[in-house]
Amino acid sequence: NAGVTQTPKFRILKIGQSMTLQCTQDMNHNYMYWYRQDPGMGLKLIYYSVGAGITDKGEVPNGYNVSRSTTEDFPLRLELAAPSQTSVYFCASRGQGATYEQYFGPGTRLTVT
Amino acid sequence: GQQVMQIPQYQHVQEGEDFTTYCNSSTTLSNIQWYKQRPGGHPVFLIQLVKSGEVKKQKRLTFQFGEAKKNSSLHITATQTTDVGTYFCAGDNAGKSTFGDGTTLTVKP
Repeated sequence: NAGVTQTPKFRILKIGQSMTLQCTQDMNHNYMYWYRQDPGMGLKLIYYSVGAGITDKGEVPNGYNVSRSTTEDFPLRLELAAPSQTSVYFCASRGQGATYEQYFGPGTRLTVT
Repeated sequence: GQQVMQIPQYQHVQEGEDFTTYCNSSTTLSNIQWYKQRPGGHPVFLIQLVKSGEVKKQKRLTFQFGEAKKNSSLHITATQTTDVGTYFCAGDNAGKSTFGDGTTLTVKP
């Protein structure tokens, strides 16, 4: 199993551009998450999904959109990028049941200038 | 909404000293997880606690969940240089996950 994969690893955007961060998991997990981590800070939940077709806002959803058309994929869309969105973005997934262990992807380092 | 706070933010220790980080929630938690993130890496799951008063050990690491299920702690005995990193706690509420801001541990050899 590859686990959770994210592309791209790095990206530089100009202000006002748009992009999609890709996230795929091959563990048949129902739950998927997008976090952002600013330098020296903790993880802030942007959006999450409890299953295909279902998404919900986290703490910091403004400026982002998500979709979950399949169990495997959970792309994060940035519209009209702003310098405040410069961060490292992590995607994570977990299965159902009594385990809450989240598996994280390697992250995407995004800079908006 | 649910808030999870961690203290201290930073801890510098001499190798061989003990280390403890504390996690406090504004609401009762159904469960708590602990993660470790090495510099430049991604968070890696360490353990989960679900029962009131639960204590779990992993070699030199001891995890506790408070009786009221609103706080937790991670204690490392006799730190080693391999323990460096940031330790996060996280609570899950119906699928919505909230992370603390983490405690960054540095270990001086």
